[in-house]
Parts: sequence; structure tokens; C-alpha cells
Amino acid sequence: NAGVMQNPRHLVRRRGQEARLRCSPMKGHSHVYWYRQLPEEGLKFMVYLQKENIIDESGMPKERFSAEFPKEGPSILRIQQVVRGDSAAYFCASSPSQGSNYGYTFGSGTRLTVV
Amino acid sequence: KNEVEQSPQNLTAQEGEFITINCSYSVGISALHWLQQHPGGGIVSLFMLSSGKKKHGRLIATINIQEKHSSLHITASHPRDSAVYICAVAANTGNQFYFGTGTSLTVIP
Repeated sequence: NAGVMQNPRHLVRRRGQEARLRCSPMKGHSHVYWYRQLPEEGLKFMVYLQKENIIDESGMPKERFSAEFPKEGPSILRIQQVVRGDSAAYFCASSPSQGSNYGYTFGSGTRLTVV
Repeated sequence: KNEVEQSPQNLTAQEGEFITINCSYSVGISALHWLQQHPGGGIVSLFMLSSGKKKHGRLIATINIQEKHSSLHITASHPRDSAVYICAVAANTGNQFYFGTGTSLTVIP
């Protein structure tokens, strides 16, 4: 069981480009959560998804950010037209069911740098 | 005001010392997690608590639901314990976790 896999580990983008961050949940987990950790700040919730559904996106900026979790394949967090303020570590976590605290597992994160 | 407050923000200890990190929260929770993050590294879940006390090796975590407070203790601290320790609570309403800003621990040999 490889755990929650995020890639890439590090991503550098120029301002205005698109960033795509991928998260493969643990085997058997159908719930995915994305969090952002800005420099010198704590983790903040962004979005919660189940397969093919966005359940709660209350923490995600309304513009330029989108997330999906298709029936097949990893969850994708997409940031369009990146700006320097998007530079952060983006963490994904997965769980086997809604509200489940057991088996809640984090990935190693993707560190996005916008230059 | 943050839903989760941790103290201290930074902590330096000599190897072998007993360490305590505190976490207070203001929301109703279904569980509390203690997480560890090494510099530049990923996040590892150390404990999940909904009541009482848990022990794993040199680490002990306690929670007092009535007082909305949890502590993480490290006995016989070691330089490899140097990391950021994050308290996170699973709210009993909605789908979110709330996170403390972390305690940066440095253990000096």
C-alpha cells in the first residue's frame, strides 16, 4: 500500500502559466481533501471531493482554482494563470468514507513556486 | 480568532528533556489529530484521539473533551524529534479539519 501519492513533489511555474497538481488516494479511499500551506502559515482547507463529485469547496478561491476527482485516475487541483501569491505547499489527504477519522492519511505535498 | 490554538509556537530543548506541546480548540469535534512535519517534508499522522490518552513509543497524547484541550508529550527527546508538530481537529459538523499553526521543535544534542 503506497499511501497517498502526490506529484510532482516540486513544481516551478512562471506567472500566468497553469499548474496541475495530482493526488492519488490510498487504495480503498474514495474521499479526497486538498489543503494549502502558505509560507509561515498553517494548513487551510480548500476542497473536499468524492469520486466525480465536489462535496465542499468553501475553502477554495473562486477564481483560477478548480479541482476534480474523476471516476478513473487521480484527483487534480488546477490553478490557472498562477501568481506569486499561489506559491505554497499543497497537501492532499484521503479517507475511506465521509467523516471517517480512521485511515485519514496525508500525502507528502507538492511545493509550488511561482517565479 | 483561530479555531485551534497551539503553544508554544517555537520550542528548543536539550536532548533527553521532556517536552509538552499544548493545543486548545473552540469548535465541537469528533476527533483530534497530532501531525508531524519535517522541514521540506510531508505530513505524518502521529495520533488520532477522541478521548483519554494514547501512547506510541516515546510519544504520549492526551485529550480533555470538556476543557477542549489536548497535549502532546515527548519523553527523552532526541534530535530526530526536531520537526513541526501540528494539532488538527475534525469538526463534528461539516467536512473540514481545522489546523493549528504548528509548534516548531528543535532538540539540541
